[in-house]
Amino acid sequence: EDKVVQSPLSLVVHEGDTVTLNCSYEVTNFRSLLWYKQEKKAPTFLFMLTSSGIEKKSGRLSSILDKKELFSILNITATQTGDSAIYLCAVYNAGNMLTFGGGTRLMVKP
Amino acid sequence: DSGVTQTPKHLITATGQRVTLRCSPRSGDLSVYWYQQSLDQGLQFLIQYYNGEERAKGNILERFSAQQFPDLHSELNLSSLELGDSALYFCASSRGTQYEQYFGPGTRLTVT
Repeated sequence: EDKVVQSPLSLVVHEGDTVTLNCSYEVTNFRSLLWYKQEKKAPTFLFMLTSSGIEKKSGRLSSILDKKELFSILNITATQTGDSAIYLCAVYNAGNMLTFGGGTRLMVKP
Repeated sequence: DSGVTQTPKHLITATGQRVTLRCSPRSGDLSVYWYQQSLDQGLQFLIQYYNGEERAKGNILERFSAQQFPDLHSELNLSSLELGDSALYFCASSRGTQYEQYFGPGTRLTVT
């Protein structure tokens, strides 16, 4: 059974801090890894990573994948209160199933 | 706004009943996915349809079924409802298989 584990479970930081969220996986026939941000309701797409070592960047957020060590990190620099959310990592297998991790709950205090 | 629409937003029903949740994908998307999110289980994949055909199946209960219609909208049918079926049900869509998925706002189901 495919497995995605995220750490830490929760994190409290102050505005301006930099955070690193972790995602490790055990997936049969890995295809890609995705990051989502979930605020009040629906998850919103952040990144999709398929190749090792290539950083994807969007503003203050960036992510990288290590397919040898089976993990990914999501970095957020200069955090803002609007970054407070649950960050979800998910992995596609060859069977088109997207398996989600339990998420990291980030709270950014002013 | 992801472009994925779901109706209804909220549904309250009794145990043993049957309900239908509806999803319209983003314009141009051929794949539709259904997920269940509960507090203790996180986001659980239920089933995927691509252009009207079932493509992948997760831990979907036999009491649950889904279909995708020619106009690409999808319906998730939940029958013989139990208290444990209370959850947020999300629909997501993507251009095809193995693409990023865009989630609808969800339907909150409460079974009393």
